[in-house]
Amino acid sequence: GQQLNQSPQSMFIQEGEDVSMNCTSSSIFNTWLWYKQDPGEGPVLLIALYKAGELTSNGRLTAQFGITRKDSFLNISASIPSDVGIYFCAGQPYLSGNTPLVFGKGTRLSVIA
Amino acid sequence: KAGVTQTPRYLIKTRGQQVTLSCSPISGHRSVSWYQQTPGQGLQFLFEYFSETQRNKGNFPGRFSGRQFSNSRSEMNVSTLELGDSALYLCASGGGAGNTIYFGEGSWLTVV
Repeated sequence: GQQLNQSPQSMFIQEGEDVSMNCTSSSIFNTWLWYKQDPGEGPVLLIALYKAGELTSNGRLTAQFGITRKDSFLNISASIPSDVGIYFCAGQPYLSGNTPLVFGKGTRLSVIA
Repeated sequence: KAGVTQTPRYLIKTRGQQVTLSCSPISGHRSVSWYQQTPGQGLQFLFEYFSETQRNKGNFPGRFSGRQFSNSRSEMNVSTLELGDSALYLCASGGGAGNTIYFGEGSWLTVV
């Protein structure tokens, strides 16, 4: 089945640093979603992207839908301790109808104060 | 708008028992998906219901089943519980653009 390659798997950064993570696929997607999951909680939708090239911000978070439609990235600027968590990308394969979203395996972010 | 509500939040069961988890989607959403999450395994898709019909099914044994009611509320059932069924079970509600889904807080199941 479809797979998303999400990288990096984990990262340790200093508070105040910027963070970048990405998701790639071997096939075209028509939706890219980014979620954050805090320990013991369900994933929370951060940003949704529906058009190739779309760049969307949510506070200190910025995500882009790659123009090839096969990738997406998420940037976090000036990280703070509450950014700690697991970030998941998810996508809807192109022309897949109502098949389930495909999820990446997550990027675990740790912020050192 | 209320979010996705899952009950119970935590539960402990014994091997061989069965369990039922409940999910109330966001008002107006007709799709409910269920996922299993274990450490190191990411999000594993169980099944999706839309308008009371199972629309998609993941690769889980028949011990895992679900249903959806006319008010879009959904339940999932796991019979003959095994230790490996211990996990966070997440329900997600969908109905917006691009198959975007919104997760509940999850139900933590521990099988002893």
